[in-house]
Amino acid sequence: NAGVTQTPKFRVLKTGQSMTLLCAQDMNHEYMYWYRQDPGMGLRLIHYSVGEGTTAKGEVPDGYNVSRLKKQNFLLGLESAAPSQTSVYFCASSYSSISGIYNEQFFGPGTRLTVL
Amino acid sequence: DQQVKQNSPSLSVQEGRISILNCDYTNSMFDYFLWYKKYPAEGPTFLISISSIKDKNEDGRFTVFLNKSAKHLSLHIVPSQPGDSAVYFCAATRSGSARQLTFGSGTQLTVLP
Repeated sequence: NAGVTQTPKFRVLKTGQSMTLLCAQDMNHEYMYWYRQDPGMGLRLIHYSVGEGTTAKGEVPDGYNVSRLKKQNFLLGLESAAPSQTSVYFCASSYSSISGIYNEQFFGPGTRLTVL
Repeated sequence: DQQVKQNSPSLSVQEGRISILNCDYTNSMFDYFLWYKKYPAEGPTFLISISSIKDKNEDGRFTVFLNKSAKHLSLHIVPSQPGDSAVYFCAATRSGSARQLTFGSGTQLTVLP
């Protein structure tokens, strides 16, 4: 049981390049999330998904796209990377919130992205 | 507009003493509050949580207190251990919207041996 895994762990891009970050979970969770963490700002939600084939915007969605073609995978895409997207990206997953009950979000180890 | 605030970027305590980490929030719609712990080069891990219908939740050495009227919560660690040295994030969520988490900026706790 690997939990939440993220690929790659590190990446350096040049401005304007594109890339896709992959998140995979083996816990059969319905919900998946992408966050970014910047110094002094905590984690901010980029996009999330409540199930296969669904996505929704979070707090800071601009410049990113996501897809959830399979329940276990959640992809984060940068079409044209900018230096402002230099950050550490975390993926998380959880069971769905039935009757408003909170279910713990499990986080991956993160991807450190630098855009030059 | 930060809805969850941790005003202390860092805190140092002696091993065996109490660590108190504080968090304030502004959104009265939040109904569930959490603390996550993060070590360098790792993802955050869930530590303890509290529902808005309670004012205290305890789990071993960790206790979270919630003061709804003051929109304030705190995490107490007693006794503190060197292995507790990490960044602690306060987070809040409300029902609906897939239980999105709103995080504070974190407090670096250092427990000195």
